[in-house]
Amino acid sequence: AQSVTQPDIHITVSEGASLELRCNYSYGATPYLFWYVQSPGQGLQLLLKYFSGDTLVQGIKGFEAEFKRSQSSFNLRKPSVHWSDAAEYFCAVGGSTGGFKTIFGAGTRLFVKA
Amino acid sequence: EAGVTQSPTHLIKTRGQQATLRCSPISGHTSVYWYQQALGLGLQFLLWYDEGEERNRGNFPPRFSGRQFPNYSSELNVNALELEDSALYLCASSPRTGTNEQFFGPGTRLTVL
Repeated sequence: AQSVTQPDIHITVSEGASLELRCNYSYGATPYLFWYVQSPGQGLQLLLKYFSGDTLVQGIKGFEAEFKRSQSSFNLRKPSVHWSDAAEYFCAVGGSTGGFKTIFGAGTRLFVKA
Repeated sequence: EAGVTQSPTHLIKTRGQQATLRCSPISGHTSVYWYQQALGLGLQFLLWYDEGEERNRGNFPPRFSGRQFPNYSSELNVNALELEDSALYLCASSPRTGTNEQFFGPGTRLTVL
């Protein structure tokens, strides 16, 4: 069965520090992978996506993620965090075999301290 | 290009009442998805509609239902409201390209008193 695990419920980083949010997935075929961000009380905004090709994916707002098939991971990174990055981040996996099935992780809440 | 829109923004109901939430997808998108996001519980998949048909539903009781109209907009109906139905209800749409990329609306905050 497909699943997504975000091991960290919340993370606190200092402004200007680097960030890595972890995501591990379980999927029987080639996955489509996504990272979304949600500000409080808002909908989800797509940060980046991986379908195929280069395993290092660049997204909006200076975020990037690397697909590592051997580790079943798709970790999100940012070299220097800004206070406005404080939000909840969701990793998601979808099927390349068609159909709808997108599974979301439980989310990681990012706190940024001055 | 307009994004996914949802109405109302907020909805307050009492236990036992019915709630109707609405969603308009991005123009050209044929699939609509509904999610429930209760406090601390992440996104729980509710329903998927495509081309007017219900394609799949999550692990929710039958009092959660919906439909998709010929213009691909969608309604989510929740009957016999319970306190634990209080949540942010998110709608997303996607084109039928098989990539499962979903575009989300701002959500409807449902409060059941």
